[in-house]
Amino acid sequence: ETGVTQSPTHLIKTRGQQVTLRCSSQSGHNTVSWYQQALGQGPQFIFQYYREEENGRGNFPPRFSGLQFPNYSSELNVNALELDDSALYLCASSNTAGAWEQYFGPGTRLTVT
Amino acid sequence: AQSVTQPDIHITVSEGASLELRCNYSYGATPYLFWYVQSPGQGLQLLLKYFSGDTLVQGIKGFEAEFKRSQSSFNLRKPSVHWSDAAEYFCAILSNFGNEKLTFGTGTRLTIIP
Repeated sequence: ETGVTQSPTHLIKTRGQQVTLRCSSQSGHNTVSWYQQALGQGPQFIFQYYREEENGRGNFPPRFSGLQFPNYSSELNVNALELDDSALYLCASSNTAGAWEQYFGPGTRLTVT
Repeated sequence: AQSVTQPDIHITVSEGASLELRCNYSYGATPYLFWYVQSPGQGLQLLLKYFSGDTLVQGIKGFEAEFKRSQSSFNLRKPSVHWSDAAEYFCAILSNFGNEKLTFGTGTRLTIIP
């Protein structure tokens, strides 16, 4: 059974640029959630995708957007990067039959300069 | 809206000593509660969860937690810590309004001294 994987591991971007982060969910999982973890903070919920549709969103602006593909992998896109977007971005997958258990990937560390 | 408070930002414990990490929550219904551990530069690993039933739940790595509704608490305990337990610990609550999002506390950093 393959766990949740994320790519890339680290990324450095310049303010104003756009970035795409990728997540492959655990085998058998059809739900993906994205979280932002700023340094020294707990993860904050960005949004969730279920069967390719957005299924809930946290308090993040529209420049944070996502996609889920038929194989349930997912992308997080951030436009017009700001310095405060520097954080660890975590992806978590779950199966709706037991959606209460979310399995996290190792994260992508994004640095905006 | 639900919230989670972890009052202790940093705790230092001697190896072999007992450990208790505090977690308080605010939620209008029966909460679904979790403890996660995060090692430096890593993602989150689920230690244990409480949904219903027995208020004392056992998890991995020798951890346990007790749900106390009257105190709105879900404290994590371990009778004897090991140096490998040094990490960041997060308490989280799950909202079940259709999108099953997790709301996390700010975390407690655990340092183990020999």
